Amino acid sequence: SAVISQKPSRDICQRGTSLTIQCQVDSQVTMMFWYRQQPGQSLTLIATANQGSEATYESGFVIDKFPISRPNLTFSTLTVSNMSPEDSSIYLCSVLGQKETQYFGPGTRLLVL
Amino acid sequence: SQKIEQNSEALNIQEGKTATLTCNYTNYSPAYLQWYRQDPGRGPVFLLLIRENEKEKRKERLKVTFDTTLKQSLFHITASQPADSATYLCALDMRIDTGRRALTFGSGTRLQVQP
Repeated sequence: SAVISQKPSRDICQRGTSLTIQCQVDSQVTMMFWYRQQPGQSLTLIATANQGSEATYESGFVIDKFPISRPNLTFSTLTVSNMSPEDSSIYLCSVLGQKETQYFGPGTRLLVL
Repeated sequence: SQKIEQNSEALNIQEGKTATLTCNYTNYSPAYLQWYRQDPGRGPVFLLLIRENEKEKRKERLKVTFDTTLKQSLFHITASQPADSATYLCALDMRIDTGRRALTFGSGTRLQVQP
């Protein structure tokens, strides 16, 4: 299994600002994912982040709004840019483990005022 | 694209009974299907994975079935306990749809086990 930590655990931000969320894994992993979970909803995949290549974004998500970095095999960041109240959500980092399972971080709870 | 439906938004049962949760998908049968548990304020935790060529998988009090003809998976918790109260998510891999090795999740069923 993989142990994943995220920073910050929660934040309250003003509209128009940006927030960078950090994800740290305790082991080297090839595939990392960023998900969003809006209140009362299920998880929606934002992008897949592989080390050494550009992140692959899902429909409805663009790099200008959600830039991602993946500098090494244990770390990634997701930035939520030019935030609006609609970006209020929980953002979850995930990694692909052995046997096709995914491990998730505790999430970052974001509130945009 | 693939759609996943978890029939019950919420399920209330008495302690000791068997909880049965349903997951239906609409399009292609995935190579595997997974079930996760999510507690409030936490990320999902992996429970079980079942492959398309497996009919049933068990782990302690948990049992998962996978019927590719019905396009359905059932998730059972036997001898349920109040500690089993959580939201349970069904997830399918996206590879056939998108080529990406990520999961697409159902909306979840919130299980409440009454003492």
